[in-house]
This record gives sequence, structure tokens and C-alpha cells, in this order.
Amino acid sequence: AQSVTQLGSHVSVSEGALVLLRCNYSSSVPPYLFWYVQYPNQGLQLLLKYTSAATLVKGINGFEAEFKKSETSFHLTKPSAHMSDAAEYFCAVSGVQAGTALIFGKGTTLSVSS
Amino acid sequence: DSGVTQTPKHLITATGQRVTLRCSPRSGDLSVYWYQQSLDQGLQFLIQYYNGEERAKGNILERFSAQQFPDLHSELNLSSLELGDSALYFCASSVGQGFPDGTQYFGPGTRLLVL
Repeated sequence: AQSVTQLGSHVSVSEGALVLLRCNYSSSVPPYLFWYVQYPNQGLQLLLKYTSAATLVKGINGFEAEFKKSETSFHLTKPSAHMSDAAEYFCAVSGVQAGTALIFGKGTTLSVSS
Repeated sequence: DSGVTQTPKHLITATGQRVTLRCSPRSGDLSVYWYQQSLDQGLQFLIQYYNGEERAKGNILERFSAQQFPDLHSELNLSSLELGDSALYFCASSVGQGFPDGTQYFGPGTRLLVL
């Protein structure tokens, strides 16, 4: 069965520091992987997705994620954090057949301090 | 703006009541998904409809039901409401049935408060 584990429910960084949010997945088939961001009182917004075209995926707002099959990981990074990056981030993996929806991780809250 | 619309934005009601949440998917999307988000349970998948038919079922209570209409909009009906049903309810849509590319686009949500 597909599953996603996000390591760390809270991550705190200083403005300008590297952001690293960790996601490990389990999948019986080559996965489609996603990162979503949720700003306070808003819906989830697609940051980026991996569809097997390239292992390094660039998303919006300067975020990128690297697919590493050997480590079953899809960590999200941003070289320099901005105050506006403070939000909750969700990693997700596609289902493997009709009748299975996206499987989301529990989310990581990113705090950015000045 | 994802193109997914949800109404109402906020809803306050009393225990035992029934409410209906409405969602319009992005133009061209055939699937609609419903999610519940609460502090204690996190983001929970409830149900998916594809072109009018139920496709996937998650942690949806028997008191909850949904349907997708011929114009592809969807409604989530919540009945015999309890305090614990207070949550954010999201709708999402996708072009296909959700696999292998499960990309979903989320609406802004309906915040339900049960008093």
C-alpha cells in the first residue's frame, strides 16, 4: 500500500536560512509525488510534483524537491527562507489504481523567524 | 486561485442539524474529492466522485453523504451534526480519476462550526 511519512511536525528556521522538509514514501509502483502548501485559513496549493520526467523538480516560490529512489525520499528544499514561507506543508503520493485517492502525510508546519 | 469554488465560506449551526456544502470543480475536471481537516485528525479524505459516480471512499461517516450532479458540481451533506464535526471541509478536483497522476486542485474550504 502507498504511504507517506513526513519527519518532523514542526520545523523552525531563520529568515535567509536553508529550508529542508523531509518526506519518505512507500509505493509498490513508480510513484507520482506531490508537495502542497497551506497558508493560514486557505486551501492547499500545489507547490510541485514529480511524475518521473526528472528527479529534480522545481516548483513555485523558489522551492524544489529531489526524488531519490534508493532512499525512497522526496525532500523539499529552499535555499533561503522568507517570512512569507511560514505555512503548513504536505507531502502526498498518488494511489496505484482507480478508487484510490492521494495519500497525504500528516504535514509539517514551517516557522520562519526574523 | 485554483479555479475550484466552494460555498459557503463559513457556516455556524447547532448540534443535530443538517447542512449542505457545495463545490464547483475547475472547468474540464471530472473528479471531485472531499476532505475534512481538523486539529486533532489532520487532513482526512472523505470521498471521491468521477463523472457522477462514486470512485473512492475514505473515512466518511454514515451521517455524511455526497453526490456529483450532471453539471459536475458536488454537494456534501452532513446530518445529525455533532460538536466534533466542526472542521474545515475542502473540495478538490482533478482531470482524471486520480491515478497514476493524482494532481488535485483545492478549493478555499468551508469552515463549519457546530455549537
